Amino acid sequence: GAVVSQHPSWVICKSGTSVKIECRSLDFQATTMFWYRQFPKQSLMLMATSNEGSKATYEQGVEKDKFLINHASLTLSTLTVTSAHPEDSSFYICSARPIMEQYFGPGTRLTVT
Amino acid sequence: GQQLNQSPQSMFIQEGEDVSMNCTSSSIFNTWLWYKQDPGEGPVLLIALYKAGELTSNGRLTAQFGITRKDSFLNISASIPSDVGIYFCAGLYSGGGADGLTFGKGTHLIIQP
Repeated sequence: GAVVSQHPSWVICKSGTSVKIECRSLDFQATTMFWYRQFPKQSLMLMATSNEGSKATYEQGVEKDKFLINHASLTLSTLTVTSAHPEDSSFYICSARPIMEQYFGPGTRLTVT
Repeated sequence: GQQLNQSPQSMFIQEGEDVSMNCTSSSIFNTWLWYKQDPGEGPVLLIALYKAGELTSNGRLTAQFGITRKDSFLNISASIPSDVGIYFCAGLYSGGGADGLTFGKGTHLIIQP
């Protein structure tokens, strides 16, 4: 199957700072990538769809000014959590779809203190 | 929006037993995907289904795409300890756009030795 990587795998930051998470498709090109958020013992919640060369599409209730998405190339999308607060602590997972199947990265655990 | 009902929410079984879980939807999907997620990791694709009525196997796993396109089931035969984890169904309706997946809430599989 296709491989999607994420970096970092975990990050701890202080409240008020910004954190950038990278998502890369390693063996295929992805014009579209997806960013999900997952709280403990819950399912994945789609936050936004990242489109190469254009603006991301955000799901209802997701603040676009807080979760900045940049899809600068066909293999890289970044999610920046700006002015992070403790309630932003979560597991963030990206995914990409080479054809029909959707493959997920290993996730990034964000802890805001 | 589309919603998926996944059941059971959790299963406590003995090693060697067969497992069955299913998902139902209020609307149709073009693709059904089954994922397994281990703690602290991203979901891993197990089986992808593309046609109504399709029955697909992957080792001890078997999944079917319901005829109505509104349901799918996953069976695991002769469970082993490494089958422990959370299983998610996901539906995809590609209505011409790059849609994300709609996830079920997951089935937590626990195997007692």
